[in-house]
Amino acid sequence: NAGVTQTPKFQVLKTGQSMTLQCAQDMNHEYMSWYRQDPGMGLRLIHYSVGAGITDQGEVPNGYNVSRSTTEDFPLRLLSAAPSQTSVYFCASKTDSGNTIYFGEGSWLTVV
Amino acid sequence: RKEVEQDPGPFNVPEGATVAFNCTYSNSASQSFFWYRQDCRKEPKLLMSVYSSGNEDGRFTAQLNRASQYISLLIRDSKLSDSATYLCALGRGTSYGKLTFGQGTILTVHP
Repeated sequence: NAGVTQTPKFQVLKTGQSMTLQCAQDMNHEYMSWYRQDPGMGLRLIHYSVGAGITDQGEVPNGYNVSRSTTEDFPLRLLSAAPSQTSVYFCASKTDSGNTIYFGEGSWLTVV
Repeated sequence: RKEVEQDPGPFNVPEGATVAFNCTYSNSASQSFFWYRQDCRKEPKLLMSVYSSGNEDGRFTAQLNRASQYISLLIRDSKLSDSATYLCALGRGTSYGKLTFGQGTILTVHP
């Protein structure tokens, strides 16, 4: 049961480097999203997508890009990593009916 | 004021105790309400949706008070395995999987 798969699970970056967090789901869900979780802050929405080719910004989009070329994949790109982007990143997906959002296991990112 | 606020705790309770968490929200346009459970270094998992009439799932009861703009979660007969962080989450309209989360309440159940 793959569900939502995120890679890598752990990553250390230097300030200014770029990288992509991968997210794939095998449930044919239309909606996908990226959240970051910081201590004491809960989860905050970065970007979301309602289907292939359609993306939009969430609450904290600055410094991140996304694309949705297929239903399955929703990568998150950090353009020029900053220490403020040190966080745990969760990818999530949801079908257009029902309330359950399925989260990936998270990606722990440290920017030094 | 934060859109969603929770008492971060921690709540330390003995096994068998009843514990309740509240979550207040400021946006009256919120239409869907949820409680998530998150174990240490794991992803959040849906515990239950919250309906206006209140709903129960075993030892867990969720309530929504739209007039006062809060939701609550009651856990009866606490188990050691209930130790986790409990996150409330709100959605507006169709949501598209877009939720606004509270910061979470830490619960520790001890023997």
